[in-house]
Amino acid sequence: QLQLQESGPGLVKPSETLSLTCTVSGGSISSNNYFWGWIRQPPGKGLEWIGSIYYSGSTYFNPSLKSRVTISVDTSKNQFSLKVSSVTAADTAAYYCARLSGDYIWGSYVGYWGQGTLVTVSS
Amino acid sequence: EIVLTQSPGTLSLSPGERATLSCRASQSVSSSYLAWYQQKPGQAPRLLIYGASSRATGIPDRFSGSGSGTDFTLTISRLEPEDFAVYYCQQYGSTYTFGQGTKLEIK
Repeated sequence: QLQLQESGPGLVKPSETLSLTCTVSGGSISSNNYFWGWIRQPPGKGLEWIGSIYYSGSTYFNPSLKSRVTISVDTSKNQFSLKVSSVTAADTAAYYCARLSGDYIWGSYVGYWGQGTLVTVSS
Repeated sequence: EIVLTQSPGTLSLSPGERATLSCRASQSVSSSYLAWYQQKPGQAPRLLIYGASSRATGIPDRFSGSGSGTDFTLTISRLEPEDFAVYYCQQYGSTYTFGQGTKLEIK
């Protein structure tokens, strides 16, 4: 059974870089027809797509966050990672990693979600 | 980007009743790339419907999706106690966007 597990610091200081890793088990990150992504949810608010990656390394980002976001993949470890630079309190959120199913990035729905990890930005 | 507006914001119903949730897009959603998710407190969202009307694996048939273009609907035919949660629509035909959610609460 596919499982996705986020890991990383739960507290980040303003202006620093938020770094999270998602470990995939029960399936290969190198499978065709799947993309891997990050979605966040501020406390008590709605969902926001951050970006996605294919195992080849092709990336796709939300234009509103693109300038601050890096997503990478390590197929040898079956992991993918997120970095958000220059964070502020507005970046405080639960961060979910996810598997997207589809042949193309536009047309791929989120089929599996990690349990999520809360990241707080505070000094 | 496509803005999704869900209505109502809160829906108060009793178990056994029928629930109808709406999702309206600011422009046409490509190829009906519209999904619905259920989220319970403290949990990750769960996929219910993709492609506007296809049920995800393991989803009971009391959940159904319909619509195309800019207007989409999630219907729960007979509410069970475990169905009370927040529901989000999402379009994935272009830069992914989510609706603001509909909270389905017990009346």
